[in-house]
Amino acid sequence: GENVEQHPSTLSVQEGDSAVIKCTYSDSASNYFPWYKQELGKGPQLIIDIRSNVGEKKDQRIAVTLNKTAKHFSLHITETQPEDSAVYFCAATRGAQKLVFGQGTRLTINP
Amino acid sequence: EAGVAQSPRYKIIEKRQSVAFWCNPISGHATLYWYQQILGQGPKLLIQFQNNGVVDDSQLPKDRFSAERLKGVDSTLKIQPAKLEDSAVYLCASSLGASGNTGELFFGEGSRLTVL
Repeated sequence: GENVEQHPSTLSVQEGDSAVIKCTYSDSASNYFPWYKQELGKGPQLIIDIRSNVGEKKDQRIAVTLNKTAKHFSLHITETQPEDSAVYFCAATRGAQKLVFGQGTRLTINP
Repeated sequence: EAGVAQSPRYKIIEKRQSVAFWCNPISGHATLYWYQQILGQGPKLLIQFQNNGVVDDSQLPKDRFSAERLKGVDSTLKIQPAKLEDSAVYLCASSLGASGNTGELFFGEGSRLTVL
């Protein structure tokens, strides 16, 4: 089955700087890669996703890149703000298979 | 639009006791999921329902966990008897269709279980 590795487990950046979180997956047939943000005491919430037919997708300050050959994808957050502090999870799946999550990255934005 | 509702938010029990969690998904969502999230880890799928049929329960410890989705709407997850390692947040999520096809899972706030 699919296995998703995520790193770093913790990341601390200065407000206004950029943050990058990376994930690798094992199943070359996976074709859908979402990113979820989880704030304290809440359930995860989708922030951006990408399908295997594109290499990059951007939504305001966040972007995701996908390298199918290397089987890795990354989340990029630019101009970080205090409200970006949260735990971020990457995930991967194919077709109607179950979504497999990475271990999470705790992002802290320092003022 | 109302989100995914879960209850209770918190539960503390002794090991070997039983516990039940309830979930009401977003109206019209055919697929319902129960995830287990152990502290410091990503959510792990326990069971997935499509309407009231089970699609995937391969990671559900069936000797102690059970789940049902009556009439394809609400769902309950039960643990009996509980073990210390069951301490976790139990997240319910719903989606219009299967996760890979529709893209977005909508999660509830979770039920935090502590087993002493």
